[in-house]
Amino acid sequence: GAGVSQSPSNKVTEKGKDVELRCDPISGHTALYWYRQSLGQGLEFLIYFQGNSAPDKSGLPSDRFSAERTGGSVSTLTIQRTQQEDSAVYLCASSFPDKEETQYFGPGTRLLVL
Amino acid sequence: DAKTTQPNSMESNEEEPVHLPCNHSTISGTDYIHWYRQLPSQGPEYVIHGLTSNVNNRMASLAIAEDRKSSTLILHRATLRDAAVYYCILRDQAAGNKLTFGGGTRVLVKP
Repeated sequence: GAGVSQSPSNKVTEKGKDVELRCDPISGHTALYWYRQSLGQGLEFLIYFQGNSAPDKSGLPSDRFSAERTGGSVSTLTIQRTQQEDSAVYLCASSFPDKEETQYFGPGTRLLVL
Repeated sequence: DAKTTQPNSMESNEEEPVHLPCNHSTISGTDYIHWYRQLPSQGPEYVIHGLTSNVNNRMASLAIAEDRKSSTLILHRATLRDAAVYYCILRDQAAGNKLTFGGGTRVLVKP
């Protein structure tokens, strides 16, 4: 079956512009996660959705970052007024919540802020 | 999530076994031990997980110490495709569902 898909695969933007990153989870997966991986650094958690609600937003680095999920499926991560330090690979994962939840990751969106 | 400690890198020859250690001395009774790997330019991929007993699947085996303070991921016959960063992660369902990634172990496979 289809895995997690993300779009665009690459995005180049100018400092100060807004960007939207999209994630299509695996069908039926109610949990959705956003992570980011900066160059030379590990993966860091950003936000977790269960259905359309976000019980854990603790990883969002600033109020320029927001995310929403509609219909319990597609999610959009929005970064406003992008800064150069926002350059990273943004990864989305989804899972069906059982007690030993396995997360399935998409290929990521590589964001470069000039 | 509790902290894990892994070596920065390991090398292996193709078709030989690879043993990747992970120390987690502060593990709690409800923490599951998960392993993910990340191939170059890809998102992480689930490998295996366990709680107390050793586990086997088509990708690898997970050996868990009796006191659960350490575990070892075993790749039985390394291939060039197994070259990746391997992450050992502890997950407590009660503490939330996010994965907390450490530095992982970069595995190099020599032909």
